[in-house]
Amino acid sequence: QVQLQESGPGLVKPSETLSLTCAVSGYSITSGYYWGWIRQPPGKGLEWIGSFYYSGSTYYNPSLKSRVTISVDTSKNQFSLRLSSVTAADTAVYSCARLPAARYFDYWGQGTLVTVSS
Amino acid sequence: QSALTQPASVSGSPGQSITISCTGTSSDVGGYNYVSWYQQHPGKAPKLMIYDVSNRPSGVSNRFSGSKSGNTASLTISGLQAEDEADYYCSSYTSSSTLVFGGGTELTVL
Repeated sequence: QVQLQESGPGLVKPSETLSLTCAVSGYSITSGYYWGWIRQPPGKGLEWIGSFYYSGSTYYNPSLKSRVTISVDTSKNQFSLRLSSVTAADTAVYSCARLPAARYFDYWGQGTLVTVSS
Repeated sequence: QSALTQPASVSGSPGQSITISCTGTSSDVGGYNYVSWYQQHPGKAPKLMIYDVSNRPSGVSNRFSGSKSGNTASLTISGLQAEDEADYYCSSYTSSSTLVFGGGTELTVL
């Protein structure tokens, strides 16, 4: 059974960098499939942040591209999200997920709430 | 990229059928058969209900079906049940190799 678990600080100060990690179990990231991040502001809809394939291809939401970096640590079977220069508008539940063929999400983590506040 | 357009809310009585629309452009919904639908109950992670326009993952009830015509995709739920009450989101692959979600639709079972 594929499982994804997000972890990281729940509170980030404005202008700082948000950093989250997604630990994957039950499936090796290097076995294939794409992996990605999605966020959902409280009471609002889903927003795709970005997706990657372990061997190199990475795609970002154009509206976040200048501030986002997704990286992978295959030795730990996990991947990470960094979002720089955060503001209150970045407050959201951040979720990681698996993408078969890069076009839909079949397994999701439970999500973690990150609040941007001083 | 702009979010796909969904109705904010729909409702139906138990046993009835409802349809949720998802409108995009020729650069996303209309250009590819790569529309997916997700069900989200409050406080829970989204669940994949339909992928590639009309395919159901294993374990998803056949009461859920998807279709597409031009730039608009649709999710139909037949034999509505109380447990279907949730938020529903569509998503599409785009010509820029990105993904875009719809704004979400709140389904109320009367």
